Amino acid sequence: QSALTQPASVSGSPGQSVTISCSGTSSDVGRVNRVSWYQQHPGKAPKLMIYDVSNRPSGISNRFSGSKSGSTASLTISGLQAEDEADYYCYSLTSTSTYVFGTGTQVTVL
Amino acid sequence: QVQLVQSGAEVKKPGASVKVSCRASGYTFTAYVFHWVRQAPGQRLEWMGWINGDNGNTKYSQDFQGTVTITRDAPANTAYMELSSLESHDTAVYYCASHPWGTYSLDHWGQGTLVTVSS
Repeated sequence: QSALTQPASVSGSPGQSVTISCSGTSSDVGRVNRVSWYQQHPGKAPKLMIYDVSNRPSGISNRFSGSKSGSTASLTISGLQAEDEADYYCYSLTSTSTYVFGTGTQVTVL
Repeated sequence: QVQLVQSGAEVKKPGASVKVSCRASGYTFTAYVFHWVRQAPGQRLEWMGWINGDNGNTKYSQDFQGTVTITRDAPANTAYMELSSLESHDTAVYYCASHPWGTYSLDHWGQGTLVTVSS
């Protein structure tokens, strides 16, 4: 199972919006709405930010939103803040009941 | 509250095996699925496999098939990940993570366990 494809890095100024794409196939992202997104700060465990494509867990800011079109999922961070600077990973269920992570995207707040 | 606590850091020689534990508290162990995720230094997250806390059914990534074994001790609320035939590239932080059966995202994470493989 190949990793889902994400851009290596995205950046934006405080207050701007950034969007991270996550490209998969008809066997994973394109198959079911079981895509989630994780934020990881250096030296810390990942944290769930979005589940089932577009749902936010309790306590996650509404500045984070998710969507999907075909085999590509996206995470948008609106009103970018310094604390959003981190690595972000998408994650998807596959057709064989396994899972796969994306390649990861480093978000930089300029 | 929900918590996953992993065992401490390990240093192993090439060819050895390592077994990392993940103890859950704050919820019903048998209603959850437990996953293991690897992250080599400076690298991306890699999904290794999962185990059903209730019946012990497992599923592994093809990338780790044959080298990883995931087990659980339900009465002890603990999941385990054993990696065999260790090589230097297995040096990484290993995380356990969990979610309720019937959901598909990793809601809760352990603190991570660093495994160093060095001669």
